[in-house]
Amino acid sequence: AQSVAQPEDQVNVAEGNPLTVKCTYSVSGNPYLFWYVQYPNRGLQFLLKYITGDNLVKGSYGFEAEFNKSQTSFHLKKPSALVSDSALYFCAVRRGSGGSYIPTFGRGTSLIVHP
Amino acid sequence: NAGVTQTPKFQVLKTGQSMTLQCAQDMNHEYMSWYRQDPGMGLRLIHYSVGAGITDQGEVPNGYNVSRSTTEDFPLRLLSAAPSQTSVYFCASSYSRSPGGTEAFFGQGTRLTVV
Repeated sequence: AQSVAQPEDQVNVAEGNPLTVKCTYSVSGNPYLFWYVQYPNRGLQFLLKYITGDNLVKGSYGFEAEFNKSQTSFHLKKPSALVSDSALYFCAVRRGSGGSYIPTFGRGTSLIVHP
Repeated sequence: NAGVTQTPKFQVLKTGQSMTLQCAQDMNHEYMSWYRQDPGMGLRLIHYSVGAGITDQGEVPNGYNVSRSTTEDFPLRLLSAAPSQTSVYFCASSYSRSPGGTEAFFGQGTRLTVV
């Protein structure tokens, strides 16, 4: 079975400060890891993914994520937060090979960036 | 290129009624899936399909049916609506298992209320 944990329901950060949204995962074999963002009344939008290679992955809107195999984590980061980054963020995992290839999502973390 | 299109956007049903949520994608994706999103629960997989004619159950399949007669369409049927099925439903599609195309594309969602 595969699973994702997002330990924080909400993250608050001041505009201009760095932000981190945490994600840990459990999966058999090599993981494929994803971050998505959801704005109010919208579907999820893909931000970035880790498949293989460099542990630091860069994605859309200045976001990046660091894959840490020993800690089974894939935290989302941004050096300087914007008010417009306020949204719901989902981490997802699937197996790199075998299985259904359908990802499992975490419960989501609400990011609030204060002016 | 419309991506993933879901209809309707909003629906109110009475308990016991049946209905079909439509989902269509124009990206020739093999994989399609249905999720429901409930507060504090994140996204939970209802049913998925890895190709035309092939479907399988996800985490919360009870009360729902699916079929995949074409690559493009993946409708979700509620057999006899119950208040517990009040939720926001998302359809998603993705490329094959190859590393180059594994992220999911989501529709805008259907907000369903069962009274």
